[in-house]
Amino acid sequence: DAGVIQSPRHEVTEMGQEVTLRCKPISGHNSLFWYRQTMMRGLELLIYFNNNVPIDDSGMPEDRFSAKMPNASFSTLKIQPSEPRDSAVYFCASRTGGNTEAFFGQGTRLTVV
Amino acid sequence: AQSVSQHNHHVILSEAASLELGCNYSYGGTVNLFWYVQYPGQHLQLLLKYFSGDPLVKGIKGFEAEFIKSKFSFNLRKPSVQWSDTAEYFCAVKESDSGGKLQFGAGTQVVVTP
Repeated sequence: DAGVIQSPRHEVTEMGQEVTLRCKPISGHNSLFWYRQTMMRGLELLIYFNNNVPIDDSGMPEDRFSAKMPNASFSTLKIQPSEPRDSAVYFCASRTGGNTEAFFGQGTRLTVV
Repeated sequence: AQSVSQHNHHVILSEAASLELGCNYSYGGTVNLFWYVQYPGQHLQLLLKYFSGDPLVKGIKGFEAEFIKSKFSFNLRKPSVQWSDTAEYFCAVKESDSGGKLQFGAGTQVVVTP
C-alpha cells in the first residue's frame, strides 16, 4: 500500500480564497484523522471520522473549517475563507479499528498570504 | 477531558548520551500509548506502542518506553543517541473505549550534537 496520501503537498493562497485539502487513507482503514501542526500550538486534532462518520469535530477552529468523508477512500478539509493564521502543516492519518496505531500522510503545508 | 503532557519542550544533548523524555496523561481508564517521531520536514512515524502486557516496550532504532500505570506515565528512553536522532518526539494516548480519538502531547524537540 502507498500509505496515506495527501494532496497537495504545498499550497500557497491569498487571504479570502477557498482552500481544499485532500486525503486518501490506507485501504481498509476505517478511522481517519485531520491534524494541524503549528509552532505555537503543536499538533492539534481537528476532527476524526469512524466509518466515514464524523465522531468528534470539537477541534475544528471555527465555521470557516469543514471536513467531509464521502466514502471510505477519500476525505477533504476545506477552509473558506482562508486567513493568514490558518498557515500550518495539515496532516491526515488513518488507522484500523481496535488496538492499532495511526499512520500519517506527508502533510500539506498551507501558506495563506 | 483527556490531556497529554510532555515535560520538556527542547532537549539538547551530545552523541552517545542517554535520552529520557517524559510523558504523562490524565485519563484514568484503559489507554493505548504511543511514541511518534518526526524528522525535520517529514511526517510522523511510529516509534513504539503499548496496548497491554509487558509494560516495557521496545521500538525501532533502539528506543524503548516504560508504562507505569500508577504514575500515568509512558517515558521514552534511548541509552545512547546518535546525531540522526535529531527530531521532534510526540507522545500520544488513545482511550481504549473512546472510539478512536488519538490525542498528542505538545512534542519535544531533541537536538543531538556531534
